[in-house]
Amino acid sequence: AQKVTQAQTEISVVEKEDVTLDCVYETRDTTYYLFWYKQPPSGELVFLIRRNSFDEQNEISGRYSWNFQKSTSSFNFTITASQVVDSAVYFCALSEPTSGSRLTFGEGTQLTVNP
Amino acid sequence: EPEVTQTPSHQVTQMGQEVILRCVPISNHLYFYWYRQILGQKVEFLVSFYNNEISEKSEIFDDQFSVERPDGSNFTLKIRSTKLEDSAMYFCASSAWTGSGYTFGSGTRLTVV
Repeated sequence: AQKVTQAQTEISVVEKEDVTLDCVYETRDTTYYLFWYKQPPSGELVFLIRRNSFDEQNEISGRYSWNFQKSTSSFNFTITASQVVDSAVYFCALSEPTSGSRLTFGEGTQLTVNP
Repeated sequence: EPEVTQTPSHQVTQMGQEVILRCVPISNHLYFYWYRQILGQKVEFLVSFYNNEISEKSEIFDDQFSVERPDGSNFTLKIRSTKLEDSAMYFCASSAWTGSGYTFGSGTRLTVV
């Protein structure tokens, strides 16, 4: 069964600090996809990244970067030089296409960036 | 950029009443989903729909819930007799195939009083 764990319930940082959000997943499939979504206070789910299980290259997009390590079943997300607008709940999610089409979400991490 | 549209954005209903939440998925997507998020909690899968039938459902999706694609563009979630614990944000999503990007709508906040 698929499972996603985000052990950090809340993180508070001061603007310009770097912050890493942890995500650990469990799956029995060899083919799977990992996602990160941002949920700002307005409530919508904003897609950030999708990564398939065969691509372990780390990715950088502006101030955002993702570290995928199959050996530790982790897909961590780092925000460099955080800004107040980064304040949101961040969800990590997993899908196993061969076992069904559902997305399984972690519990989310509430990130607060203080000025 | 294509988007998933949900209506209404907010709905207040009395306990025991039926509600229908509406969604227009992205037109060339084949898979449609409903998810639920109780306030302050994680996003939970309810049901997926493919080829005009339910392909997967969670234990939350009991007989009180049903989904329909009545006209080839809309995708609806019906709750037959709402309970207080059905109060949540309901998200519709669509995807081109399983494992592709999932596009979420902006959600319908349902409040049962």
